[in-house]
Amino acid sequence: EAEVAQSPRYKITEKSQAVAFWCDPISGHATLYWYRQILGQGPELLVQFQDESVVDDSQLPKDRFSAERLKGVDSTLKIQPAELGDSAMYLCASSPDPGPYEQYFGPGTRLTVT
Amino acid sequence: GENVEQHPSTLSVQEGDSAVIKCTYSDSASNYFPWYKQELGKRPQLIIDIRSNVGEKKDQRIAVTLNKTAKHFSLHITETQPEDSAVYFCAAKGNSGYALNFGKGTSLLVTP
Repeated sequence: EAEVAQSPRYKITEKSQAVAFWCDPISGHATLYWYRQILGQGPELLVQFQDESVVDDSQLPKDRFSAERLKGVDSTLKIQPAELGDSAMYLCASSPDPGPYEQYFGPGTRLTVT
Repeated sequence: GENVEQHPSTLSVQEGDSAVIKCTYSDSASNYFPWYKQELGKRPQLIIDIRSNVGEKKDQRIAVTLNKTAKHFSLHITETQPEDSAVYFCAAKGNSGYALNFGKGTSLLVTP
């Protein structure tokens, strides 16, 4: 069964450093989401792509976060500089299209900022 | 934007009993309501979903009901087992946006 891939699984970094996360969605899925999940809370959307285009980045802290999906397949989420409050699980999800369909989640990247 | 509230935040039941988790949403245009189960350190996994043209859906021990008028939906787990212990999230997907809006989660503990 196809799955969403993410790397790294765990990342520890010092504040003010740069970090990057990678996501490879299920083959053929046009819609890709990046969520942030703080411990004890539900996932919150950071950015959504339809193919290579951003369709919603209203909750992305654009002064320090950036995301791209250049060829409409895999995607990278970057934080620069990292802050202590960025410690969280970063989840990538994909779906065939943006309609009312299941979103398949990757295993996530656990980020700890020290 | 869509606001999803979920109750209770924690739920403890004896094995074999039923568990009910309730969610409300604010956007009357929402049309898709999935439930995810997340075990510690693992990814959220879809366990059941319902669309706005259906009032109830069942899959073995799990059922979801939707009341569009009252804007609430519920997850029902019957004959609970210890392996049902996890955090459960409800979510709603509005027409005006594409992403899921999640509730804050319910930590379910099923004791033998």
